[in-house]
Parts: sequence; C-alpha cells; structure tokens
Amino acid sequence: AQSVTQPDIHITVSEGASLELRCNYSYGATPYLFWYVQSPGQGLQLLLKYFSGDTLVQGIKGFEAEFKRSQSSFNLRKPSVHWSDAAEYFCAVGALVGGSYIPTFGRGTSLIVHP
Amino acid sequence: ETGVTQSPTHLIKTRGQQVTLRCSSQSGHNTVSWYQQALGQGPQFIFQYYREEENGRGNFPPRFSGLQFPNYSSELNVNALELDDSALYLCASSWGLEGNEQFFGPGTRLTVL
Repeated sequence: AQSVTQPDIHITVSEGASLELRCNYSYGATPYLFWYVQSPGQGLQLLLKYFSGDTLVQGIKGFEAEFKRSQSSFNLRKPSVHWSDAAEYFCAVGALVGGSYIPTFGRGTSLIVHP
Repeated sequence: ETGVTQSPTHLIKTRGQQVTLRCSSQSGHNTVSWYQQALGQGPQFIFQYYREEENGRGNFPPRFSGLQFPNYSSELNVNALELDDSALYLCASSWGLEGNEQFFGPGTRLTVL
C-alpha cells in the first residue's frame, strides 16, 4: 500500500530565508505526487503536482518540488519565504481508486515564519 | 465561479447520535470526495461519488455513508457516532476522474462528546 512520510512535524524559518520541506513516499508504480497547503480555517489548496515528465515541478506562490525516484522523495522548496507562507503543508501520493487518483496524505509539516 | 462550500461549519453531537454533513461542489464539477482529518493528521479518504454513484471507498466502516444529488452536491452521513469520529470533515470537488485537481471546501468541524 502507498504511504507518505513527512519527517518534520514543525519547521521554523525566518522571513526571506529559503525553505525545504521533506517528503518520502512508498508506492509500487510510478507515483502521482502532490503538495497541498492548508491555512487555518481554510480547505486544502494544491500547490503543485507531479505526474510524469520533468522531475522539477513549478507550482503556485513561488514553490517548486523535485521528484527523485532513487531517493523516493518529493521535497518542496521555496527560495524566499514570506510571512503569509505560515501554514500546514501536506505531501500526498495518488493511488488509483475507481479510475481516479485519490491522494494519500502524510501527517503534515507545520511551517512557522519568524519576522 | 462559486467555490466548494460546506455546512455546517461546526457541529457538536453526542456518542451514538447520527449526523449529516453537506457539500456543494464547485460549478461544473461532477465528482465529490470526502475526507476525514483528525487533529494533527493528514486527511484520510472516506469515499468518492461520480455522477451520483459511489466510485471508490477508503478504509471506513459502513456507518459512514453518502449521497450525491443530480446537481452534484453531496451529503456525508455518519451513524452511531463514536468519540473517534471527532475530526474536520473535508469535501473536495473535481471534474471527471482522471487526476483533475480537487478543490477543497473549508470543512466541517465535528465534535463528538
């Protein structure tokens, strides 16, 4: 069965600093991978996804992620963090259910941004 | 374009009761998925409805059931509530089945006492 590990429960960065959130997945076939962000009181918003092709994926809000098959990783990066990026970030791997790719989520990483 | 809406925002029930949560999908979307997000955890897939039929189900017992209506809005019903059912319930809508982006609602916070 597929699974996702986000090893960091909390990450604290200063505003303007670079960010990398780690994600490791377990999946038998070529994975469909996602990163979502959840702000307090909000639903999840898709930042980016990887289905195939270029292993460096660009997303919204200046985020990018790199798929590394050899390391079973899909880490999320941003070169300069803004205070508004403080939120919960979820990595997910998509499993085929009834013809649809349903995300299996990790437990999330809480991003704290210091001014 | 109206986004995904859910009602109610918050709900308090006691153990053994039944609850119905509602979701209005985004305009043009015909697929609705429901997730349960316990505190400090990622969302877990409950089930998905596509064109009014259940299209897939996660590891949840039969007391979790759902409906999708002709306008593609949806309900999640939970019978015989247990304390562990306390969670944020998220609804997500999308078009079709082939990996199209799911748009999430803000969720319903259910507390079971």
